Amino acid sequence: DAGVIQSPRHEVTEMGQEVTLRCKPISGHNSLFWYRQTMMRGLELLIYFNNNVPIDDSGMPEDRFSAKMPNASFSTLKIQPSEPRDSAVYFCASSFAAGANVLTFGAGSRLTVL
Amino acid sequence: AQSVTQLDSQVPVFEEAPVELRCNYSSSVSVYLFWYVQYPNQGLQLLLKYLSGSTLVKGINGFEAEFNKSQTSFHLRKPSVHISDTAEYFCAVSDLSGGSNYKLTFGKGTLLTVNP
Repeated sequence: DAGVIQSPRHEVTEMGQEVTLRCKPISGHNSLFWYRQTMMRGLELLIYFNNNVPIDDSGMPEDRFSAKMPNASFSTLKIQPSEPRDSAVYFCASSFAAGANVLTFGAGSRLTVL
Repeated sequence: AQSVTQLDSQVPVFEEAPVELRCNYSSSVSVYLFWYVQYPNQGLQLLLKYLSGSTLVKGINGFEAEFNKSQTSFHLRKPSVHISDTAEYFCAVSDLSGGSNYKLTFGKGTLLTVNP
């Protein structure tokens, strides 16, 4: 398996633009997580899906952020409109079961909003 | 609510020296504990985990950690480090209450720098 695949690896955009980050989890994993990493706040859980259903989105910062998982092999995190404070590395992770959480992380998408 | 404190933000050591990276957690219930490593420009990789049983847990690359419930600690150790161990290390906790055991709370990370 190629692991968790994220795209793009780097994105530079201007304030106000829409940003879409993509994730392909490991085949057979039924849980998917989006995390955000910044120097100030460290790693924060944004949203958690189980069997393609959003279970916990309490970490999503505000309405500008949305996430979807239309099927077991694909998820998106969208920011519209983007702001400079959204600049961060966004990680997608997947796991086989909701408990005993052994997450496999993707390489991350580094977002810079100018 | 659970929280994780990594007591050192940076730890510089010389090659072949022993190292300990400290982690304390706060939780009112039973927990799972993890250490992850992040190499530059990469995602996090699992080093080791404590779920139950023996309090001494061995992981990859010669690392081990000891769960101490009375001190709510889960310190990471390696007896002899290599240059290639230079990375950021994250401690994480997942508590087992209320159906929220999926939620990993991470510490802020400890940057381990191994010098020749």
